[in-house]
Amino acid sequence: AQSVAQPEDQVNVAEGNPLTVKCTYSVSGNPYLFWYVQYPNRGLQFLLKYITGDNLVKGSYGFEAEFNKSQTSFHLKKPSALVSDSALYFCAVRDFSGGYNKLIFGAGTRLAVHP
Amino acid sequence: GAGVSQSPRYKVTKRGQDVALRCDPISGHVSLYWYRQALGQGPEFLTYFNYEAQQDKSGLPNDRFSAERPEGSISTLTIQRTEQRDSAMYRCASSSGTTLEQYFGPGTRLTVT
Repeated sequence: AQSVAQPEDQVNVAEGNPLTVKCTYSVSGNPYLFWYVQYPNRGLQFLLKYITGDNLVKGSYGFEAEFNKSQTSFHLKKPSALVSDSALYFCAVRDFSGGYNKLIFGAGTRLAVHP
Repeated sequence: GAGVSQSPRYKVTKRGQDVALRCDPISGHVSLYWYRQALGQGPEFLTYFNYEAQQDKSGLPNDRFSAERPEGSISTLTIQRTEQRDSAMYRCASSSGTTLEQYFGPGTRLTVT
């Protein structure tokens, strides 16, 4: 079965420093991977996806993610964190079981960016 | 353009009552998904529609839960005889037929007392 793991419940970063939010996956076959962000009292917003091609994927708000097949990882990164990046981040993988397009989400990582 | 909308945003109901949660997807999106998110957890898949056809309902917890999308647009998730364990955030998402990412609505926070 497909699964994702987010090993950190919370990540603390100083504003202006680079940030990394970790995600590892377990899939049979080629992975389709996604990152979403959840701000308080709002829905999940799509940030970026990896389907195929370049291992470095660029997304919204200056975020990028690096796909590493040998380490089965898809870490979210940003070169310079902003206080406004503070939110809950979810990694997800597409589940092909049954042939349908459902997402399996990790438990989430709370990012706190301090001024 | 308008995103996915859900109503009501908050619902408090007494145990044993039925509730209906509504989702209005992005116009033209053929696929619609329902997820449930417990506090401190990621969303968990409930069911999926392609147009009006319910393609996968493997995530529905039991037969008190049902969903429909009769005209291939608006969808309703119904929970009969609600129980306290049904309390959660219920999220709807939609996607087009050409891209894989799903776009989520703001969710309905259900509290069963």
